[in-house]
Amino acid sequence: GENVEQHPSTLSVQEGDSAVIKCTYSDSASNYFPWYKQELGKRPQLIIDIRSNVGEKKDQRIAVTLNKTAKHFSLHITETQPEDSAVYFCAAWASGSYNFNKFYFGSGTKLNVKP
Amino acid sequence: NAGVTQTPKFQVLKTGQSMTLQCAQDMNHNSMYWYRQDPGMGLRLIYYSASEGTTDKGEVPNGYNVSRLNKREFSLRLESAAPSQTSVYFCASSAFASGVSFRDYEQYFGPGTRLTVT
Repeated sequence: GENVEQHPSTLSVQEGDSAVIKCTYSDSASNYFPWYKQELGKRPQLIIDIRSNVGEKKDQRIAVTLNKTAKHFSLHITETQPEDSAVYFCAAWASGSYNFNKFYFGSGTKLNVKP
Repeated sequence: NAGVTQTPKFQVLKTGQSMTLQCAQDMNHNSMYWYRQDPGMGLRLIYYSASEGTTDKGEVPNGYNVSRLNKREFSLRLESAAPSQTSVYFCASSAFASGVSFRDYEQYFGPGTRLTVT
């Protein structure tokens, strides 16, 4: 099955700086890569996603890049704000009957944005 | 439109007790999931139901059973709770039909149930 590794486990940045979180995956059949944000005590919520036929996607201050050859994808947050402080999870979905409809989540990155 | 709801929000059990966690969604989604979240381990899939009438094991199914009662409801049962099952449990759903649109894959999560087994 799929194996998703996420780094770093914790990340502390100064407000206004950029933050980058990286994930690698093992299954070359993976073709959908979402990122979820989970604030303290809250449920995970989708913030951005990318398909395998796209190399980069942006939405205001957040962007995701995908390198299919190297099997890694990254979340970039620019001009960080204190409200960006949360745990971020990457995930991968691989097509195929044995992986039907299952996401594989990374272990999470706790981002702390210091004012 | 409440999205995904879960009950209860909190629960304390003694070792050996049983209980059922309830989950319901009002988005007419086909697929539903149960995850557990432990510190430093992310979200691990316990069971999922690709469509009404089907259920399958996920990564960590031991000690749990599920029932897809109808299209809206998906319950998780602990028959004999153990301290290792202390965790936060999330239910999720996604539209996923035949994969026509990648938007169908987005998972919507419930608010979670914090379970402590002593």
